[in-house]
Parts: sequence; structure tokens; C-alpha cells
Amino acid sequence: EAGVAQSPRYKIIEKRQSVAFWCNPISGHATLYWYQQILGQGPKLLIQFQNNGVVDDSQLPKDRFSAERLKGVDSTLKIQPAKLEDSAVYLCASSSLSRMNYGYTFGSGTRLTVV
Amino acid sequence: KQEVTQIPAALSVPEGENLVLNCSFTDSAIYNLQWFRQDPGKGLTSLLLIQSSQREQTSGRLNASLDKSSGRSTLYIAASQPGDSATYLCATYGGATNKLIFGTGTLLAVQP
Repeated sequence: EAGVAQSPRYKIIEKRQSVAFWCNPISGHATLYWYQQILGQGPKLLIQFQNNGVVDDSQLPKDRFSAERLKGVDSTLKIQPAKLEDSAVYLCASSSLSRMNYGYTFGSGTRLTVV
Repeated sequence: KQEVTQIPAALSVPEGENLVLNCSFTDSAIYNLQWFRQDPGKGLTSLLLIQSSQREQTSGRLNASLDKSSGRSTLYIAASQPGDSATYLCATYGGATNKLIFGTGTLLAVQP
């Protein structure tokens, strides 16, 4: 099966600019996650979707971050305006609702540098 | 709140050595534990998934064990190679939060 697709792979923006990331999960996976990984740290969950509904966004900085998953498939994560501390790798993952015990599959990530 | 700790934070070994990476977690009510590999600036590649009812999983030169009662998992890498150099992350799923919670990783360097 095809993996989790993410784009772009890299992005460099100036602070206060906006940026958007895109994720296409594995076909049929109902659950989609966005993680933020700052250099030297483990990934931190930003938001979890089940189909097109939000399950958990408790760690999403809602004043600047937003995410949507239209039609329960693709998802976009947006940052507006970006801050220097948003420099990180943004990872998208998906899992099957009926097979959540079978683990998560991650995409290759988007590396964001804010200058 | 689940906390996942990995020791050591960094490890450098000569090629050919066998090595063990450690992962500990505070909440033993997990469904599974997953080990991932991450190359610099890249995404995560799943290596091994151990269900809560299992004690170990093997894939090639990798063997992962799980001791739920003591809140520990180990990843054993046999006959290490320079291509094994990467960051290794463990993550637990389940517990009170029902989320995938990551450790901070172990940065492994295998010297040729």
C-alpha cells in the first residue's frame, strides 16, 4: 500500500509569514495525526482527526495554528503568523480505526525553518 | 500522564558491536509499544511493534522486548553497521490518554 504523503519536504519562511502543509494518509485510514518535532526532542501531538472530526487539539496553539481535514481524507496544517520557535519537522501519521493496535504510519515530514 | 524516557541520549559504537537501547514508561496500561528509526531531518520509519500481550518481536538484526509490569522495553541491535546510524525513538500507545507518546530518542552513531 502507498504510504503517507506529505508536501512540501522543506520550507523556509520569514517570521510573521504564513505557511501551509499538506498530508494524504494511507487509503482507508480514518485517523490522522499532526505532530511537531523540535530538534533534539520527540514528536509532540498537535491535533488528531477521526474522519473529518477533531478528536484532540489540546496542544495546538490555536492563536496561530489551524488544521482541517475536509471529506475525511487529505489534511492541511497552517501556521499564521509564524514565529522563530515554530522551526521544526512537522510529521503527519495515520492509522486504521479498526486496527489501531497495529500501529501508526508516518510520512517523511516537512522541515520548516523560520528566519 | 504517560512519560517515556530513553537512555542513553546518545551512543557511539564501533562497527560490528551488539548494542542495547533502553526505553522506560510510567503508565503500564498500554496497548502496544513501537520502535521507530529517524534519519536526520526525515520522517519516522516503523521498526517493530510489540502488542501488550507480547514479550518480544524480531526483525532481522533487531529484537525488541517488552516488560509491561516494570515499564521497560529494550531494542537490541546485533552486529551493528554504519547504516544503522540514526535516532531511535520508542513510543507507547494507550494508557490513560489513548495517544502515541514518544520518548526523546537515542542518537546512535556506528563508526566504521
